[in-house]
Amino acid sequence: AQSVTQLDSQVPVFEEAPVELRCNYSSSVSVYLFWYVQYPNQGLQLLLKYLSGSTLVESINGFEAEFNKSQTSFHLRKPSVHISDTAEYFCAVSVGGSGGGADGLTFGKGTHLIIQP
Amino acid sequence: EPEVTQTPSHQVTQMGQEVILRCVPISNHLYFYWYRQILGQKVEFLVSFYNNEISEKSEIFDDQFSVERPDGSNFTLKIRSTKLEDSAMYFCASSEGQLFTEAFFGQGTRLTVV
Repeated sequence: AQSVTQLDSQVPVFEEAPVELRCNYSSSVSVYLFWYVQYPNQGLQLLLKYLSGSTLVESINGFEAEFNKSQTSFHLRKPSVHISDTAEYFCAVSVGGSGGGADGLTFGKGTHLIIQP
Repeated sequence: EPEVTQTPSHQVTQMGQEVILRCVPISNHLYFYWYRQILGQKVEFLVSFYNNEISEKSEIFDDQFSVERPDGSNFTLKIRSTKLEDSAMYFCASSEGQLFTEAFFGQGTRLTVV
């Protein structure tokens, strides 16, 4: 069975500073990797995903994540954060073969990103 | 923009009572899911539903849980006899297909069992 570890439950960062949210996974088979974001009082939204191809994936709002197979990591980064990035961020993994849908997504515990002015 | 809607946003129920959580998936989606998140813990997969039947379920989804698509728009999760440990945020999700498609999540229903 696969698992996802997000070591940081909370990450405070000053506005315009860079941030990295860490995600490590374990799986004996190939995986698809996702980052979801939950803004206050809203549902989970897909931020970005890695299915295959380039190991660096980007979102439309400046976040990026790099799949590192040797380190079994999929850390999320942004070079300069904004107040509006305050949210809960969830890393998730889906075992290869399930196709990347929500079937059997395994989530991490989430990291609360707090942007300080 | 189409979205998944869940009602109610917060439900308080007494232990042993039956509760039904409701979801309206995006209209052209074919795959439906329930997840839950106990406070301070991970989001956990409960069940997926396709073509009017359960396609996959986790070990959490025991006999006290059931899902139904009673009409063309609603997707419900029923808990027959609630326990204190059922208190959690329940998320509904839907996707157009299963392969390489994004799942869209609702805002969640916070269930509190007292």
